[in-house]
Formats: sequence, structure tokens, C-alpha cells
Amino acid sequence: DIQMTQSPSSLSASVGDRVTITCRASQSISDYVNWYQQRVGQAPQLIIHSASNLLSGVPSRFSGSGSGTDFTLTVNGLQPEDFATYYCQQTYSTPRTFGQGTKVEIK
Amino acid sequence: QVHLVQSGSELKKPGASVKISCKTSGYTFTNYAVNWVRQAPGQGLEWMGWINTNTGNPTYAQAFRGRFVFSMDTAVSTAYLQISGLKAEDTAIFYCAREGYSRGRYYFDQWGQGTLVTVSS
Repeated sequence: DIQMTQSPSSLSASVGDRVTITCRASQSISDYVNWYQQRVGQAPQLIIHSASNLLSGVPSRFSGSGSGTDFTLTVNGLQPEDFATYYCQQTYSTPRTFGQGTKVEIK
Repeated sequence: QVHLVQSGSELKKPGASVKISCKTSGYTFTNYAVNWVRQAPGQGLEWMGWINTNTGNPTYAQAFRGRFVFSMDTAVSTAYLQISGLKAEDTAIFYCAREGYSRGRYYFDQWGQGTLVTVSS
């Protein structure tokens, strides 16, 4: 099984900050990585697919990059609605594993 | 507009069974796989497996082989998750998610609202 290791597990940031979350795959997975945002009490929502493709309707302050084993989710100019938990996921193979999540909290 | 609407919360006793539904609308049910994801209280997302809505063939993650069954009814565009022999540790929110695709890449682009299953005596 492919393991997805996210870091950090949590972070504190202020509105307007730039935030970076990383995800490392246990083997090369090309760009088969997706990112989800989960606000408290809500279902996860897809924000980026295929490593760098922003879903329609998602603010452009979100961006994704990476290929192979190392991937990054960046939020440029954190907004109040961005405080949530973020998960990476690989769909290179089954099982479709998720990272353990990164909780973005208000400083 | 695409929707996945799940059945409501369940409170069950240990040893009982539960069947959760995931009713889809706004797209052709058989064109997209449906995945199931578990989230234990305060924990992360755990992929349980998926059902091929074309063939009805289910695939289970290792941890979910045995007591968990995926099924579907194409006539009502609905996927189901049944759990038997419930244990306290099965207490979780269960999500269904549609697996979208584009240029050979796959992602969970639409999610149900989640169904909370509580197992308690």
C-alpha cells in the first residue's frame, strides 16, 4: 500500500498569512494526488485534483504543486473560511490512501 | 446539479446491523464509481473501498473485509453500505463519495453529507 505522510499535523496562522502543507508518498505516484478541505462538522470537499488542478469555484489563493513523491498545498493570504483540516490523497493505486490531515488553526 | 444524499444518523446496539444509503442525482449513476470513507470521532479519513456502478462489483480495503458490504440499486441510483456485527469501535461518520475522472486521473469530486453511526449498549 502507498503511504501518504502529511506535515505538519497542525499549524497556527493568522489571516493573510501564507501557509504551506506538504505530503510525501511512500513511492512515486506521478501527479495522482488530490487535496481536500474539511471544515468542522462538514463533509470533505475537493479543492485540487491531479496535484495542481484547482477545482472550479475554489479561490485562486489555493494552489498545488509536485510530482513523484513530494507534493505541496499552498494558501496565499489565508482567509477566515480557510481554517479547516486539509487532507492529501493518492489515487495512483488501490487502496486510495489519505494523509493523516493538517489542521489549520487561528493564531 | 450533482447531489449525494445519505440516510440519517443511526444508534445501534453491539451485534446489530445497519444499512446506510447514498442516493445520487444529477448525473448518470452508472458512469461513476462510488467510494466509501470512514471517519472515526476526532480522526482522519479512512478509505473503505468502492463499488463499480457499472458491474456492481465491490472492492474492499483490507480492514473492511468481512463485516462490510457495498451494494447498489441502479433503478433508484443509490449505493448502500451495510455493516453487520457492529462493535463500539465502528462508531464513526461514514461518507459516500463519487469518483470523478479527467484525463486518466481520479478524485472524489462529490461527497454525501455523512451518516453518523453510533454503537452503544
